[in-house]
Amino acid sequence: GDSVTQMEGPVTLSEEAFLTINCTYTATGYPSLFWYVQYPGEGLQLLLKATKADDKGSNKGFEATYRKETTSFHLEKGSVQVSDSAVYFCALSDLGSGNTGKLIFGQGTTLQVKP
Amino acid sequence: DVKVTQSSRYLVKRTGEKVFLECVQDMDHENMFWYRQDPGLGLRLIYFSYDVKMKEKGDIPEGYSVSREKKERFSLILESASTNQTSMYLCASSSPSGGTDTQYFGPGTRLTVL
Repeated sequence: GDSVTQMEGPVTLSEEAFLTINCTYTATGYPSLFWYVQYPGEGLQLLLKATKADDKGSNKGFEATYRKETTSFHLEKGSVQVSDSAVYFCALSDLGSGNTGKLIFGQGTTLQVKP
Repeated sequence: DVKVTQSSRYLVKRTGEKVFLECVQDMDHENMFWYRQDPGLGLRLIYFSYDVKMKEKGDIPEGYSVSREKKERFSLILESASTNQTSMYLCASSSPSGGTDTQYFGPGTRLTVL
């Protein structure tokens, strides 16, 4: 079945460092891809999304490009801040579920940014 | 903005108690979901609903039931709480008419079963 694999954390960076969180997926069709962020003590928030190959999602300085050839959707940011410390989830739409809108999530990657 | 609210942020219950977790969304979304989140396991889908009075089992439905009597409200029920149900519970909603499957999440309920 469809699945999402994220790099294991935690990822620890100094402020202003470059961030990459790897995400690869397995899918039989052409799913939409998502990055969600969860700040401490909160629910998940949509960070960015891409709905077709070569689309680039971007928000708050974060970017991810839907790469069909490598089945990847890596999250990047040029200069992280302490306030970016959170858990990041990669997800894809479960096309096999019909119209129910199910998402398949990766296991999450914890990012800690130190001053 | 879509708003998904959950009845409690923190809840402490005793083993064997019946527990109700309530979720309400204000965007007329058809789909609603209940997940539990545990360290190292990510999000696991318990149940979801794509219409009033409709429900489908997710990946880990054992020990849980759900109710959706109104479109905006989706309740998760622990019939007889056990310590292994101590977890963070997240509710989400989405609409297939929105063009994508973007889910909008509530703030979560951290449940402790003693």
